[in-house]
Amino acid sequence: DSGVTQTPKHLITATGQRVTLRCSPRSGDLSVYWYQQSLDQGLQFLIQYYNGEERAKGNILERFSAQQFPDLHSELNLSSLELGDSALYFCASSPPGGQAYGYTFGSGTRLTVV
Amino acid sequence: SQKIEQNSEALNIQEGKTATLTCNYTNYSPAYLQWYRQDPGRGPVFLLLIRENEKEKRKERLKVTFDTTLKQSLFHITASQPADSATYLCAPGKGANQAGTALIFGKGTTLSVSS
Repeated sequence: DSGVTQTPKHLITATGQRVTLRCSPRSGDLSVYWYQQSLDQGLQFLIQYYNGEERAKGNILERFSAQQFPDLHSELNLSSLELGDSALYFCASSPPGGQAYGYTFGSGTRLTVV
Repeated sequence: SQKIEQNSEALNIQEGKTATLTCNYTNYSPAYLQWYRQDPGRGPVFLLLIRENEKEKRKERLKVTFDTTLKQSLFHITASQPADSATYLCAPGKGANQAGTALIFGKGTTLSVSS
């Protein structure tokens, strides 16, 4: 157990639907990062939150949104789903200091859009 | 734009040998460089971080070098074992005081160690 909890582990849904992925960071970590990993693709950075505020955006589609709550857990919302959104979605957290420390990743949510 | 290159082809070596993986970056001036291991279907696991003022860092059978002139990091696994088989990712990082940046990862090199 890495200390970063992601739920659900698996999700199967139809095109056009909306889903919410949840992440609880490791205790003491203030930053949460979301990454997408498609088959045979590298980790693509989506978005970062730090202590409740959005800090950085990567290649996140307009159909996707995220937020970080006061208890520091984060949710990634994916809407109007397309087949191409099928991927592993990882959440990671890090302590204050960001890239000076290693990230701790969760075990991911495998999303399948049918 | 910033670019990270890792050997796209899989690296196949025999047990006991040293595996050397390469990470090259362009249009970056990283203050740190991190290496991660990823097993199929699982989240990456942090292995090592090396700072720009460090030439080499070791952890057990792992050794990382960082050459800011060549814009390259080498990752070595000595006395490799079949359990070392995985994909290894590098991620150059900016300074801790540069808020609003997140790690961008290379696509990784898949290592296969045969017994």
